[in-house]
Amino acid sequence: DQQVKQNSPSLSVQEGRISILNCDYTNSMFDYFLWYKKYPAEGPTFLISISSIKDKNEDGRFTVFLNKSAKHLSLHIVPSQPGDSAVYFCAASSPYNTDKLIFGTGTRLQVFP
Amino acid sequence: DVKVTQSSRYLVKRTGEKVFLECVQDMDHENMFWYRQDPGLGLRLIYFSYDVKMKEKGDIPEGYSVSREKKERFSLILESASTNQTSMYLCASSLTGATPLHFGNGTRLTVT
Repeated sequence: DQQVKQNSPSLSVQEGRISILNCDYTNSMFDYFLWYKKYPAEGPTFLISISSIKDKNEDGRFTVFLNKSAKHLSLHIVPSQPGDSAVYFCAASSPYNTDKLIFGTGTRLQVFP
Repeated sequence: DVKVTQSSRYLVKRTGEKVFLECVQDMDHENMFWYRQDPGLGLRLIYFSYDVKMKEKGDIPEGYSVSREKKERFSLILESASTNQTSMYLCASSLTGATPLHFGNGTRLTVT
């Protein structure tokens, strides 16, 4: 039972354009959401997060949007750069189990010149 | 900066062998985690620990055990390795709760 889903396994975007990565979840108890970025042969690194009390959080080129009614979040990267090419995982946690993050399956982003 | 170190980048083991994966963190974090990453399945939690000698099962604990004798060290044990345990294993730590997690670079285990 995949509680956090990333339905696009891959995405290809031209440098300078916007990258939009999507994530859906099924558990309405999730109240905290994160995005991690993973390069090959490295562990995932934390990118940006959002609490369910907000619908948007921005950090430089990265913005995460949360639509609670649709149980959907998205990560926008603008402008996209070749160094953004990586696998992106969304993750979620609930207030009843803050020690446990549930990860999605990941989306491989390729930014080409 | 937090450093999570996994002792091996690559391991090749035979079916039935006992396998130890070691992880050390240097930031006095309370919580430590073991995940495995498989294509199409994302990261799945095997076990986690919120204190020395304490452990909790994650989503896929079958075939694994863990040991946390010291705060900085968290070991994952495969009692009798099987081919379906071929995977990328990722250790992580956090100060409190699961967020944000700091990951090691992973151990790619192949069981033949």
